Amino acid sequence: GAVVSQHPSWVICKSGTSVKIECRSLDFQATTMFWYRQFPKQSLMLMATSNEGSKATYEQGVEKDKFLINHASLTLSTLTVTSAHPEDSSFYICSARVGGDTQYFGPGTRLTVL
Amino acid sequence: GENVEQHPSTLSVQEGDSAVIKCTYSDSASNYFPWYKQELGKGPQLIIDIRSNVGEKKDQRIAVTLNKTAKHFSLHITETQPEDSAVYFCAASIEDDKIIFGKGTRLHILP
Repeated sequence: GAVVSQHPSWVICKSGTSVKIECRSLDFQATTMFWYRQFPKQSLMLMATSNEGSKATYEQGVEKDKFLINHASLTLSTLTVTSAHPEDSSFYICSARVGGDTQYFGPGTRLTVL
Repeated sequence: GENVEQHPSTLSVQEGDSAVIKCTYSDSASNYFPWYKQELGKGPQLIIDIRSNVGEKKDQRIAVTLNKTAKHFSLHITETQPEDSAVYFCAASIEDDKIIFGKGTRLHILP
């Protein structure tokens, strides 16, 4: 199957700082990428849909000024958590869509905000 | 919007036995149904998917069935092995739209 990578795999930061997470499709071009958030023992919560070259579409309740998404190329999307606070600590996962519907997920990034 | 219900939330089966996880969806327009396996600390891995134009799909020990009339679909794992222990998510989507996930089933394979 298609391979999606994320970097970093884990990050610890101080409250008030910003953190950038990269999502790359390694062996295919993805016109659409998705960002999810997952709390322990819960399902994936879609945060936003990212289309190459256009602004991301955020789900209801997700602050677009706090979670900045950039999809600059067909193989790279970034999520920046601005002014992070402890409640932003979570597992962030991206996915990339191949063809009409199949999504392949990255390995996730664990963010801990102290 | 689409709503996906998944049962059971936890499932324990003896190694070698079969495991069945069931999901229902609400939007009759949904036409794509993937299943993901997530191991601890990792991202979800697509294990099998089915589209609305077929009723069943099989890949080695894994099979998925779809009943469009009843709006439910199921995952069947036969001859379970310890490495099958994980959380399994069902999902549904309309082509080109976002995927809606179930709440997950934690599968334990007992020795």
